[in-house]
Amino acid sequence: GAVVSQHPSRVICKSGTSVKIECRSLDFQATTMFWYRQFPKQSLMLMATSNEGSKATYEQGVEKDKFLINHASLTLSTLTVTSAHPEDSSFYICSARDQTSLSYEQYFGPGTRLTVT
Amino acid sequence: DAKTTQPNSMESNEEEPVHLPCNHSTISGTDYIHWYRQLPSQGPEYVIHGLTSNVNNRMASLAIAEDRKSSTLILHRATLRDAAVYYCILRKTGNQFYFGTGTSLTVIP
Repeated sequence: GAVVSQHPSRVICKSGTSVKIECRSLDFQATTMFWYRQFPKQSLMLMATSNEGSKATYEQGVEKDKFLINHASLTLSTLTVTSAHPEDSSFYICSARDQTSLSYEQYFGPGTRLTVT
Repeated sequence: DAKTTQPNSMESNEEEPVHLPCNHSTISGTDYIHWYRQLPSQGPEYVIHGLTSNVNNRMASLAIAEDRKSSTLILHRATLRDAAVYYCILRKTGNQFYFGTGTSLTVIP
């Protein structure tokens, strides 16, 4: 089955620093990937849609300058949290759509736990 | 955002069927209904999806109301491994998923 990986699985960083999270589709190509954020005991919130070779589309209320998204290849999208603050601590999850599939199913990564101290 | 409404929590005895309801009264004609489930500290896992007709797969069945304003995910025999948060999602033409609050399913041995 289609597999999506994320790296790192956990990261702790100091306030004011930046952290990059990678999302890879391992056995399929994905022109579109999605980034979500999930706070404890809450649902997933869509942050942005990442499109290969073009700019990401951000959801309303998500700061594009703070959450930088790059989708440079058909198997890799990165999310960089710039100048992280404790309120950015969350579970970040990516998903990818197999561009050859007609089902529009999204395959989700295992998530990255970010803690900002 | 596409809105779905689900009960916050449900319980089921092991090896009994479970019916998880979802209301989506604002659904439009081209919206697909997707169901995913999530275990703690993991990414969501695909369960099933459909448009108008009822759907079956190895994991579950999806019953869609005739007016499409509601649907029900059916787990035919709940196991302990089915304990998770189940999300009913409407996928619009832009392919974005907007998650609702989900239903936390507890399976009682």
